[in-house]
Amino acid sequence: EAQVTQNPRYLITVTGKKLTVTCSQNMNHEYMSWYRQDPGLGLRQIYYSMNVEVTDKGDVPEGYKVSRKEKRNFPLILESPSPNQTSLYFCASSGQGVGGYTFGSGTRLTVV
Amino acid sequence: SQQGEEDPQALSIQEGENATMNCSYKTSINNLQWYRQNSGRGLVHLILIRSNEREKHSGRLRVTLDTSKKSSSLLITASRAADTASYFCATDARGSSNTGKLIFGQGTTLQVKP
Repeated sequence: EAQVTQNPRYLITVTGKKLTVTCSQNMNHEYMSWYRQDPGLGLRQIYYSMNVEVTDKGDVPEGYKVSRKEKRNFPLILESPSPNQTSLYFCASSGQGVGGYTFGSGTRLTVV
Repeated sequence: SQQGEEDPQALSIQEGENATMNCSYKTSINNLQWYRQNSGRGLVHLILIRSNEREKHSGRLRVTLDTSKKSSSLLITASRAADTASYFCATDARGSSNTGKLIFGQGTTLQVKP
């Protein structure tokens, strides 16, 4: 089944403790993105990648890092999480041609 | 920055009625996409309309695009209770500028009452 898999689905962590949210797609897609969704603010893009080793900042990249060493994986790294990074995070991927994005099921992160 | 605004923010209708949602955007686009999100879950791609298209249909969905007004509308005909969800438009500049940015509007929350 074609899908984008995020892990974990839920995570509660403490301020300053480094964490990684994994994202993997099995569709050989070139484009991958990370979004955060907050009430009243909608979905905001954190980082995106157009292919292996090609990444760029979205609208809210501060406090996040990404890497794209393999085509299928696009992990999101929070080096020192803070409470304002409490949010619902989505990973998405799409092919090179113009088409819609496939989204993962989301990761609900709480930083205390 | 958010690309667009959606109107209305919330919409409540009876089953069987039509629902229309509007989206405005600010910059040039390659295509515009509509997504649906059930509460707290992942977004599902519904339909994509290219910048050189004016109207597109998919089942009970009809999307229009007016690039001169930088606006789009999504019409859901003969709505069902299962259509209750949030609907988002997203603009995409891939292809023309080779970016990977997909920028979302704020969304319209649709409630369809049985």
